[in-house]
Amino acid sequence: QVRLQESGPGLVKPSQTLSLTCIVSGGSISSGSYYWSWIRQPAGKGLEWIGRISSSGTTNYNPSLKSRVTISVDTSKNQFSLNLSSVTAADTAIYYCARDSVVFSYSSNSNHYVMDVWGQGTTVTVSS
Amino acid sequence: DIQMTQSPSSLSASVGDGINITCRASQTISSYLNWYQQKPGKAPKLLIYAASSLQSGVPSRFSGSGSGTDFTLTISSLQAEDFGTYFCQQTYSSPWTFGQGTKVEIK
Repeated sequence: QVRLQESGPGLVKPSQTLSLTCIVSGGSISSGSYYWSWIRQPAGKGLEWIGRISSSGTTNYNPSLKSRVTISVDTSKNQFSLNLSSVTAADTAIYYCARDSVVFSYSSNSNHYVMDVWGQGTTVTVSS
Repeated sequence: DIQMTQSPSSLSASVGDGINITCRASQTISSYLNWYQQKPGKAPKLLIYAASSLQSGVPSRFSGSGSGTDFTLTISSLQAEDFGTYFCQQTYSSPWTFGQGTKVEIK
């Protein structure tokens, strides 16, 4: 089955750029009608969706972070990446990557997006 | 952005109890509502999608209901392994947003 694994520095200095990569294994990032998302969670707090990308490069970003976020995909390496610029302590969190799948619901007779595969998460601390 | 509000923030119940967690959206989201379970130190796991559809492999004691702005996750007979935090998520409009979570503890 498809597995996701985040990688990147665990410590980033304030004002610098946070860069993470999510490696997709067990399947091709280009197969199916999937989007590939980044989500973060400050310690002990809730989940915040950062944005997502399709294998063709179409992106959607959370407006609250849009000015600082870039998500890219490298289909040759079967991975996608997150860059978050000008970080502050408020960006300290566990960062997850996830697969955004389309599923059909017979009860509502409509398609729905679900995050059905998640990476284990990686902790990023912003500190000097 | 659509705001998602869950209640209660936490609850404690005994094995065998039935529990309900509610999620309210700040505007109508039809049935574009998912539920996730997160255990400490782990990533969230999809339980319910489209408000009431059970994800493959999820025990049938979990169920979801609701549409529009008000939704409920029900665990019919709580098991020891059901501890954790439960989040609702709307996918009606971008940005996707989550509820603040409901922490479930086993007495």
